[in-house]
Amino acid sequence: ETGVTQTPRHLVMGMTNKKSLKCEQHLGHNAMYWYKQSAKKPLELMFVYSLEERVENNSVPSRFSPECPNSSHLFLHLHTLQPEDSALYLCASSWPGSPLHFGNGTRLTVT
Amino acid sequence: SQQGEEDPQALSIQEGENATMNCSYKTSINNLQWYRQNSGRGLVHLILIRSNEREKHSGRLRVTLDTSKKSSSLLITASRAADTASYFCATDISGGSNYKLTFGKGTLLTVNP
Repeated sequence: ETGVTQTPRHLVMGMTNKKSLKCEQHLGHNAMYWYKQSAKKPLELMFVYSLEERVENNSVPSRFSPECPNSSHLFLHLHTLQPEDSALYLCASSWPGSPLHFGNGTRLTVT
Repeated sequence: SQQGEEDPQALSIQEGENATMNCSYKTSINNLQWYRQNSGRGLVHLILIRSNEREKHSGRLRVTLDTSKKSSSLLITASRAADTASYFCATDISGGSNYKLTFGKGTLLTVNP
């Protein structure tokens, strides 16, 4: 149990589908993150939220849309994805300046 | 270009041996962190070393930081099969908030029983 829960663990979707990834943290942190992990590439920072406001948006295509309704929940809404978007999507949370606590990720396959 | 880069990409050792992984980075940092990832799981934080520190220990882990060479090393002593995982260094260039924590590609460590 990491304190950061991601659902679903696995997701297969077609290029025309719309789906959402969910992340919930039970650690009282005030910052939440989305990272993308593809094979043979470094982790890519996608979005950062602090106190429910987006503070970092790393030039992510608009087919990825984040939502942070409160400091405990973070969503990543997906639509019209491409096969190259297949990856492990990791959510993390932290206090500013403290190490990140990661969830176990959602393995996304786009067909 | 990549901020942090681990070396070697893969390392295979026998149980009981020591494992050393290195990380090089390009720009000035506030802190450097090491994480471990077991296959199919999330990353787990191991150690954070600040830019004004040179060495830090945690159990069987020893981390060094050389800011003049922009490099760090992670030493795992008396390795165990359970240490088999990927190890990542991450550098904070955000001034301390960790909002811009950038990771390398990792070192895959295999510890053979």
